[in-house]
Amino acid sequence: SQTIHQWPATLVQPVGSPLSLECTVEGTSNPNLYWYRQAAGRGLQLLFYSVGIGQISSEVPQNLSASRPQDRQFILSSKKLLLSDSGFYLCAWRKLEDGTEAFFGQGTRLTVV
Amino acid sequence: GESVGLHLPTLSVQEGDNSIINCAYSNSASDYFIWYKQESGKGPQFIIDIRSNMDKRQGQRVTVLLNKTVKHLSLQIAATQPGDSAVYFCAENRGAAGNKLTFGGGTRVLVKP
Repeated sequence: SQTIHQWPATLVQPVGSPLSLECTVEGTSNPNLYWYRQAAGRGLQLLFYSVGIGQISSEVPQNLSASRPQDRQFILSSKKLLLSDSGFYLCAWRKLEDGTEAFFGQGTRLTVV
Repeated sequence: GESVGLHLPTLSVQEGDNSIINCAYSNSASDYFIWYKQESGKGPQFIIDIRSNMDKRQGQRVTVLLNKTVKHLSLQIAATQPGDSAVYFCAENRGAAGNKLTFGGGTRVLVKP
């Protein structure tokens, strides 16, 4: 069966520090991968998606970047965090050939202080 | 811009009653819709989906209705239980190009005993 791992679960970082959040998927190949951000009590905002290795599409101009160095690995990064980067970050994957729902990781709660 | 939105931010329901959560979407080209349930501090979980060539789909205690004429989607939960308390999101897929899954703002369902 397929699983998605996202870590860390919580993170407190000072303003100006770098960020690296990692997401990996097991049990499937060539998934579509997504990073979403969720502000407290709000909906999910699509940040990045990837349809293949090295292919990244950005949805919102921001202080963040994404990379996909391997087929089942998706990384969210920042060189210098801002207070406004605080939120709940969710990684998701989809396999369009088999079905079209997205499966989510458990999320990373990022607090920038 | 194009968006998926919800009519009611919070819905209080008596245990055992039926719940109806509504969602409006604006992109008439969207071909696939999903309802997700999100419990506090967790990633969204798939509930039920529906394709644009259907107007109704039923699952266990849940029914999704799609009205393409008015671009409206609803989720009906029968015999609401305390475990149904969560935030519910609708999401739309905008087709193969980009494979984007866009979420609405969410509705919180509170089940009263």
